[in-house]
Amino acid sequence: AAGVIQSPRHLIKEKRETATLKCYPIPRHDTVYWYQQGPGQDPQFLISFYEKMQSDKGSIPDRFSAQQFSDYHSELNMSSLELGDSALYFCASSSTRGQGFGELFFGEGSRLTVL
Amino acid sequence: AQKITQTQPGMFVQEKEAVTLDCTYDTSDQSYGLFWYKQPSSGEMIFLIYQGSYDEQNATEGRYSLNFQKARKSANLVISASQLGDSAMYFCAMSAPLISNFGNEKLTFGTGTRLTIIP
Repeated sequence: AAGVIQSPRHLIKEKRETATLKCYPIPRHDTVYWYQQGPGQDPQFLISFYEKMQSDKGSIPDRFSAQQFSDYHSELNMSSLELGDSALYFCASSSTRGQGFGELFFGEGSRLTVL
Repeated sequence: AQKITQTQPGMFVQEKEAVTLDCTYDTSDQSYGLFWYKQPSSGEMIFLIYQGSYDEQNATEGRYSLNFQKARKSANLVISASQLGDSAMYFCAMSAPLISNFGNEKLTFGTGTRLTIIP
């Protein structure tokens, strides 16, 4: 079965550079989430989209922006990168349809290292 | 606001023994979900088990079971007959409403428990 696809898996950037992470949710999933997990930390919710509209916003810095496109893939754009942005970034998707309990399916994560 | 507490930063367990990972939560919502995820050293988040707040029976999935005590607000994960491959970080999480109420609820995670299985 298709899973959540994230790219790139690894990314190395310099301070003050820009990075873009991509997420392709499971087909027919209507909700996408972005999480940031710093070293030794638990995942922190950044932002979510439902049917291409922003549905919630968490502790996402103003330097970050995200959107969901017509094909349901999502991109997280990070500008003016700081050392503290080094983290594992997860995308997850879920579906409000069907009889499930809204389980979040996570991608394998994109590991960003800022030097 | 929701809060998840995992008080065991690390645990060491002998192979084939059962292990209980503690999780307590705090919420003012009447309807919520509790999840456990496993994160191996490779980094991916693997869903293990789910318990709904209105489920009367404890959830079970293979070697995983969730000891749900609603009055105590606890949702401990029990792994029976532990295996070396169970060594990983384990996160307890709770569903939290989105601001917009559109879409499925986001998850709030605890700080995790690092489980190490000893041969």
